[in-house]
Amino acid sequence: EAGVTQSPTHLIKTRGQQATLRCSPISGHTSVYWYQQALGLGLQFLLWYDEGEERNRGNFPPRFSGRQFPNYSSELNVNALELEDSALYLCASSPGTGRIDGYTFGSGTRLTVV
Amino acid sequence: TQLLEQSPQFLSIQEGENLTVYCNSSSVFSSLQWYRQEPGEGPVLLVTVVTGGEVKKLKRLTFQFGDARKDSSLHITAAQPGDTGLYLCAGLNSNYQLIWGAGTKLIIKP
Repeated sequence: EAGVTQSPTHLIKTRGQQATLRCSPISGHTSVYWYQQALGLGLQFLLWYDEGEERNRGNFPPRFSGRQFPNYSSELNVNALELEDSALYLCASSPGTGRIDGYTFGSGTRLTVV
Repeated sequence: TQLLEQSPQFLSIQEGENLTVYCNSSSVFSSLQWYRQEPGEGPVLLVTVVTGGEVKKLKRLTFQFGDARKDSSLHITAAQPGDTGLYLCAGLNSNYQLIWGAGTKLIIKP
């Protein structure tokens, strides 16, 4: 069974540009979660999508946005990139709302803003 | 705001020693998970504890959920270099949200 896949693995952008990160959940999982992890630190919750709807949002500015497609894959968009947006962006999926059995992470996208 | 305080933040010990990592909160969680993350990878689930007072063992790792379901501990016996990594705890609250600890960076020196 394929795990959570994220693309690209690495992304280098210039300050002010936009970045788009993609995530494909495990087959059968309807919930997708996005996290930001600065180097060596813990996880900061960004967004949670389930069944195509945004369920919850972390304490991040509106330039962080996303969506979930009918096949449950998801995109994270970061507009007007700032140097401090450089981080590992992790996606996780689970079978649905309230279900953390099988909560699985992808390997992440390393975003570097220069 | 619910918080899950994890301690210590950093631990460097010799191979063969024992250690304990703690996660504490003033909030009750319906379940709590422990993850290990290696550099450049996503966190990998180690265990989920659900019942207050529950103890689960995974080889040399022992996980305990507090009786009141507000705290948890991870104890490693005879640590090995392969145990090196970032250990994260996460509690599931009544709104189905996972609340994350800040992580414990563990280094086991040969």
